[in-house]
Amino acid sequence: QKEVEQNSGPLSVPEGAIASLNCTYSDRVSQSFFWYRQYSGKSPELIMSIYSNGDKEDGRFTAQLNKASQYVSLLIRDSQPSDSATYLCAVNTNLMRETSGSRLTFGEGTQLTVNP
Amino acid sequence: DTGVSQDPRHKITKRGQNVTFRCDPISEHNRLYWYRQTLGQGPEFLTYFQNEAQLEKSRLLSDRFSAERPKGSFSTLEIQRTEQGDSAMYLCASSASTDTQYFGPGTRLTVL
Repeated sequence: QKEVEQNSGPLSVPEGAIASLNCTYSDRVSQSFFWYRQYSGKSPELIMSIYSNGDKEDGRFTAQLNKASQYVSLLIRDSQPSDSATYLCAVNTNLMRETSGSRLTFGEGTQLTVNP
Repeated sequence: DTGVSQDPRHKITKRGQNVTFRCDPISEHNRLYWYRQTLGQGPEFLTYFQNEAQLEKSRLLSDRFSAERPKGSFSTLEIQRTEQGDSAMYLCASSASTDTQYFGPGTRLTVL
C-alpha cells in the first residue's frame, strides 16, 4: 500500500464548476497535510495546509480533513482554466518519530483540466 | 520577498560525470530539504538539514549522492559518477519552525 494515494486522473471539469480532489494516507500518526499545485515544468506551489479535522477555506479553495478515515480532500470552487495543473497531496508524519523527521510524503498527483 | 533559489536551473551532463547543485533557502528558514521528482511522480524525499546538521537521509540517497549545508545557510547536492537513472528534477525546499515547506524552482538534470 502506498503511503499517500491520490486519484491519478486526469480530472476534467467545465469552467465555473467545482473540482474535487481526493487523497488517502496510511500512517495514522500523520499530523500535517498539504496541497500543492504544480504547473507543467514548474515546481510545486503551496495552496493549503490543514492540521485539524474539518474544513479550512481560503478563497476558492477548501481543504477537508478526516483523520479517522485517513482522508484529505481539496475542493476548488468556480474553477478557472488557470487552475489547470497537477495537484499534489503531501503528508508530514509525526515530528516526534526519529525515523521520519520532517519529510513530506507526496502522492503521485491528480492532473486537473478546466475546460473553458 | 526572496524565495528559495536554485542554481543551475538546467544541467545536461554525460554519464559518469560529477554534478553539483546549489540551493539558497528563504533567509530566516533553518530547515532545508532536497527532493527528487521524475515525470508523472510526486517529489521523493532525499535529505533534510536543520541548520548545518544533516538529520535524515532517504534510502534513495546512494553513496554517489552527498549533500552539505556549511554554516547552515545555502546547501549543495553533489552526484558523483552520474547515471541515466539520475535524470530528474531536483527540488529544494525550506521551512521555518513550522513544517510548511516552500519549494525553489528546481534543477532539471539530464544525463546523456
